[in-house]
Amino acid sequence: DAGVIQSPRHEVTEMGQEVTLRCKPISGHNSLFWYRQTMMRGLELLIYFNNNVPIDDSGMPEDRFSAKMPNASFSTLKIQPSEPRDSAVYFCASSPQGFYGYTFGSGTRLTVV
Amino acid sequence: GENVEQHPSTLSVQEGDSAVIKCTYSDSASNYFPWYKQELGKGPQLIIDIRSNVGEKKDQRIAVTLNKTAKHFSLHITETQPEDSAVYFCAAPRGGGTSYGKLTFGQGTILTVHP
Repeated sequence: DAGVIQSPRHEVTEMGQEVTLRCKPISGHNSLFWYRQTMMRGLELLIYFNNNVPIDDSGMPEDRFSAKMPNASFSTLKIQPSEPRDSAVYFCASSPQGFYGYTFGSGTRLTVV
Repeated sequence: GENVEQHPSTLSVQEGDSAVIKCTYSDSASNYFPWYKQELGKGPQLIIDIRSNVGEKKDQRIAVTLNKTAKHFSLHITETQPEDSAVYFCAAPRGGGTSYGKLTFGQGTILTVHP
């Protein structure tokens, strides 16, 4: 099992550009979560999916953020347009449905200059 | 929603000593309490968890205790080793015992074990 796979590992972009982060969950896991980690705010839940359906996106900071899960093996988090305050590490995690023991990916470190 | 407070924010110990990290939660309906370890450049990794129907759980040098009345739970690491140095996070379910597995995380504790 390769675990949760995120890409890219690092992303540096200019303010105003579109950024797309990608995630492949563990096969068979029904739930997928996107978290953002910063020193000031810690780990924040942005959105989560259950069986490919977005269940709660109340953590998405604003309309510039969007997430999709077109199938059970792929999800994207898009920021358009990006701003310097979006700089953070973005984690994707997956778990079997109803189980709280997440498996996290290695994260994408996003820097917006 | 759930509020999770974690203390201390930093903890420095000598190799071989014990380390204790404490968390409090606000929602009495919460029924699952995991601990995650995050090493530099990696994602958090689940190291131990406890459900509300037990008061203590051990796994080798790691143990977690739960006090439901006081709404707090603690991580205990005995015989610490340099490789235990990492950031540790506690968590509790958001909105009590929902079925979708949302977690609220504590702010983290930076543990440093000096050789």
